[in-house]
Amino acid sequence: NAGVMQNPRHLVRRRGQEARLRCSPMKGHSHVYWYRQLPEEGLKFMVYLQKENIIDESGMPKERFSAEFPKEGPSILRIQQVVRGDSAAYFCASSSPSHGYTFGSGTRLTVV
Amino acid sequence: KQEVTQIPAALSVPEGENLVLNCSFTDSAIYNLQWFRQDPGKGLTSLLLIQSSQREQTSGRLNASLDKSSGRSTLYIAASQPGDSATYLCAVRWGQAGTALIFGKGTTLSVSS
Repeated sequence: NAGVMQNPRHLVRRRGQEARLRCSPMKGHSHVYWYRQLPEEGLKFMVYLQKENIIDESGMPKERFSAEFPKEGPSILRIQQVVRGDSAAYFCASSSPSHGYTFGSGTRLTVV
Repeated sequence: KQEVTQIPAALSVPEGENLVLNCSFTDSAIYNLQWFRQDPGKGLTSLLLIQSSQREQTSGRLNASLDKSSGRSTLYIAASQPGDSATYLCAVRWGQAGTALIFGKGTTLSVSS
């Protein structure tokens, strides 16, 4: 069981470029959650997805950010026209009733 | 508003001490509460999960308690070691399957040898 897999581990983008972050949940889990951790701040919920459906995107910025979880393949968090304020660690998690949440190792996005 | 607060923000202790980390939450109608550990620049490692019907959970030198009526949880670490140095995060889920965890800002623990 490989756990929650995220890639890339580190991503550097210039201002105005697009960033794509990928997440594969634990085997057998069909729910994915994305969180963002800004420097010196706690983890903030962004979006919750099931296969082919966005269930809750209340924590997602209204512009430039989007997420998907297709029937096949990983979940993608997409940030268009990145700005320096998007620099953060982005974590993905999946959950089960008996084990709670399991998080991936995160993607650290740096916008230069 | 559902919020999670952790006090203190930072804690330094000598090796061998027993210590308690505190977590408080608004709205006692929680679904479960989970403690995590995060090392610098790393991901989150789940330590203990307490369901709303439980009062405590234990794993090795760690013991987490839950008092819903007072909106509090504590993480007790026995005989602390330098390897315990990390940030400890408390997170609460208020709804059933599919609802998001709400995190506290964490307590950064430093254990000196």
